Amino acid sequence: GAVVSQHPSWVICKSGTSVKIECRSLDFQATTMFWYRQFPKQSLMLMATSNEGSKATYEQGVEKDKFLINHASLTLSTLTVTSAHPEDSSFYICSARDVRGTEAFFGQGTRLTVV
Amino acid sequence: SQQGEEDPQALSIQEGENATMNCSYKTSINNLQWYRQNSGRGLVHLILIRSNEREKHSGRLRVTLDTSKKSSSLLITASRAADTASYFCATDRGSTLGRLYFGRGTQLTVWP
Repeated sequence: GAVVSQHPSWVICKSGTSVKIECRSLDFQATTMFWYRQFPKQSLMLMATSNEGSKATYEQGVEKDKFLINHASLTLSTLTVTSAHPEDSSFYICSARDVRGTEAFFGQGTRLTVV
Repeated sequence: SQQGEEDPQALSIQEGENATMNCSYKTSINNLQWYRQNSGRGLVHLILIRSNEREKHSGRLRVTLDTSKKSSSLLITASRAADTASYFCATDRGSTLGRLYFGRGTQLTVWP
């Protein structure tokens, strides 16, 4: 199956700093990628849809200035958590949709801890 | 959850028993998918069932879909300790864009 790689797999940062998470489709092109967040023992919540070459579409209640998304190429989307706070600590997962199909493939996730 | 609910929220069984998890949703869908997640890790896609399908099998997995009741079930037969994980259903809410909306999930524990 198609491979989606996230980097880093985990990160610890200080409050007030920004953290960038990368999502790459390794063996296919993805015009659309998706970012999800998962708090401990909870479900995955769709945060935003990342569209190559255009602005991301955010779900209701997600602060676009807080979670900056850039989808500069057909194989890379980045999520930047700006001015991170402890409440931003979470598991962030991306998925990427092959341009030729309908299935979206998930990355392995990034665990962010803000101290 | 963004879409619906799974029940039970937690299920504890012995190896060899069958595990049944249910999922309800609120909107029209094109398809419904089930995923598995081991503790703190990424998602593993298990099975996709389209809105015009009623039942689908994959190995020890059996998924049913009742669009009139807006519900689905996942049955794992002859469970193993390695099946211990969280199981989530996800729907597309009728969109073809690839967005998925997940249920709350069922934490399955299979005791050896």
